[in-house]
Amino acid sequence: AQTVTQSQPEMSVQEAETVTLSCTYDTSENNYYLFWYKQPPSRQMILVIRQEAYKQQNATENRFSVNFQKAAKSFSLKISDSQLGDTAMYFCAFMKRLAYGTASKLTFGTGTRLQVTL
Amino acid sequence: DADVTQTPRNRITKTGKRIMLECSQTKGHDRMYWYRQDPGLGLRLIYYSFDVKDINKGEISDGYSVSRQAQAKFSLSLESAIPNQTALYFCATSDSDRTDTQYFGPGTRLTVL
Repeated sequence: AQTVTQSQPEMSVQEAETVTLSCTYDTSENNYYLFWYKQPPSRQMILVIRQEAYKQQNATENRFSVNFQKAAKSFSLKISDSQLGDTAMYFCAFMKRLAYGTASKLTFGTGTRLQVTL
Repeated sequence: DADVTQTPRNRITKTGKRIMLECSQTKGHDRMYWYRQDPGLGLRLIYYSFDVKDINKGEISDGYSVSRQAQAKFSLSLESAIPNQTALYFCATSDSDRTDTQYFGPGTRLTVL
């Protein structure tokens, strides 16, 4: 079974600064995906970024980027130029890659609450 | 219009009542999922479905049942609600032909008194 660990329950960053959220995972699988989801106070789960394990290049989406270390089983999220709208709960998630014809599930960490301050 | 919708958005009910939460999607995805979110525990999978003929239990299916009425509709039922089923419930969809990325509905907050 896979496990996902987010060791930082809460973090705070000033507007315009950079912050890194940590995530580690445990799996024996070789083909998988990793995700970061954002949950603002509206409670909607919003996809932030996605990484495929077979890709060595780190994924980036505008101000969001990841540091994917497959051997260390680490998947951290860096938010640059933090904005007030980034205030949210951030969840790291793992999904095993399956063959066509079967569905797979996300395994979530417990989340990191990020507060962006003025 | 939202791609994944859930009804109701909020519901308060009493112990022993039967409750149905509904999910509809216009994304054309074949896979649908129901998750539960409890404080401090992240999201956990209740049931998932590859298509209308395929239903699978997740890690916490006890006390729940589902129905996939059509490719676009996936309902979650609590046959006899109990207080520890008070939680936030999310429906999600993904497309097996593309990226397997799951997209979530807005959630239903259920309170069982």
